[in-house]
Amino acid sequence: EADIYQTPRYLVIGTGKKITLECSQTMGHDKMYWYQQDPGMELHLIHYSYGVNSTEKGDLSSESTVSRIRTEHFPLTLESARPSHTSQYLCASSGALNSPLHFGNGTRLTVT
Amino acid sequence: GEDVEQSLFLSVREGDSSVINCTYTDSSSTYLYWYKQEPGAGLQLLTYIFSNMDMKQDQRLTVLLNKKDKHLSLRIADTQTGDSAIYFCAERGSNFNKFYFGSGTKLNVKP
Repeated sequence: EADIYQTPRYLVIGTGKKITLECSQTMGHDKMYWYQQDPGMELHLIHYSYGVNSTEKGDLSSESTVSRIRTEHFPLTLESARPSHTSQYLCASSGALNSPLHFGNGTRLTVT
Repeated sequence: GEDVEQSLFLSVREGDSSVINCTYTDSSSTYLYWYKQEPGAGLQLLTYIFSNMDMKQDQRLTVLLNKKDKHLSLRIADTQTGDSAIYFCAERGSNFNKFYFGSGTKLNVKP
């Protein structure tokens, strides 16, 4: 069983608040990813990291930012949340070349 | 970028077989994956196949890969109501660092 943890599981906040979604993995994986998932199911890559101090923007433009100061930790921050940020956010990690993606259980964010 | 396509819905009766199909465009894909997502949860890896294989079987799951047509399928034998979920096909890009997902197939199993 993959060990990747996301907190909180659910978050309801007001417009304009700053929030940080936490993601940690205990597998020593170099690569970590954030996906945003629409209610209509499709996954969109918004950020990824190949290792410590490496972060890249994904295929979908996002107003969020990420950091990777430690291998196991890849938090995502929204400086000023808006209703358009309401979505499910999934964190994932991957190890060696033939290693699959392992997903956390997600954070469901609602911005009112 | 790479394109992965799946049909959106599939409905079957309990006990029947389910076949979920996927097509992809990256001919240099190395690994292809099937994930299952239950409501409110993350994606759970079901199975994967290396690109030099044609078939892989794991209990009730059978994966078929037609590399020439870039077509991947997942067959679930004796489908149960607990198999109702969204199934995602994914490929690992040729640079090994990016994964490309289909839009998911929602499987509904009727009792």
